[in-house]
Amino acid sequence: SQQGEEDPQALSIQEGENATMNCSYKTSINNLQWYRQNSGRGLVHLILIRSNEREKHSGRLRVTLDTSKKSSSLLITASRAADTASYFCATVDTGRRALTFGSGTRLQVQP
Amino acid sequence: DAGVIQSPRHEVTEMGQEVTLRCKPISGHDYLFWYRQTMMRGLELLIYFNNNVPIDDSGMPEDRFSAKMPNASFSTLKIQPSEPRDSAVYFCASSLVWGYLYEQYFGPGTRLTVT
Repeated sequence: SQQGEEDPQALSIQEGENATMNCSYKTSINNLQWYRQNSGRGLVHLILIRSNEREKHSGRLRVTLDTSKKSSSLLITASRAADTASYFCATVDTGRRALTFGSGTRLQVQP
Repeated sequence: DAGVIQSPRHEVTEMGQEVTLRCKPISGHDYLFWYRQTMMRGLELLIYFNNNVPIDDSGMPEDRFSAKMPNASFSTLKIQPSEPRDSAVYFCASSLVWGYLYEQYFGPGTRLTVT
């Protein structure tokens, strides 16, 4: 079963706007990770936030984590057409000791 | 490092044929993962290895699927016999020690079409 579920499933914005994607999960986690997948390509790791962290930045990316609500958000500021991709959150399935990926958010940035 | 390498990139085969997908992980990574991605089911973990030993194969859908890792630099995923419902993109990924606590590095995937 998928631990993380992203919201919205699809998002279309104009270049320069900010994009926010949300992820909800069900069980306790050690960390939560965000990945990007360009069409026809493999997933690329973007950022990892540990359970004792509340916010993390990397370039134009900002990730927040609220363990009390079991949710995370990914904010991409000043979006570019090149940000067009699917974005996945991933959490650890403690039973299998492996990452479980959500269904993803498809982001379309219009130039 | 060249990253995770997968071959072939595309495979088209007929139902009933044997299919072998190959993966070379990043040197020094102790964990290797095989995933399958479809529109209907998303990204599913099939099996993963630690130091060449299969740790969890509970995601392997059927006995028709098998995976091996004969050494630290090579792994195969075999489907025999293949069926149309096996059509998907198969990804290999690798990571450092305690892989699930760290980021995984994905290969470009093999797009499998079974007719």
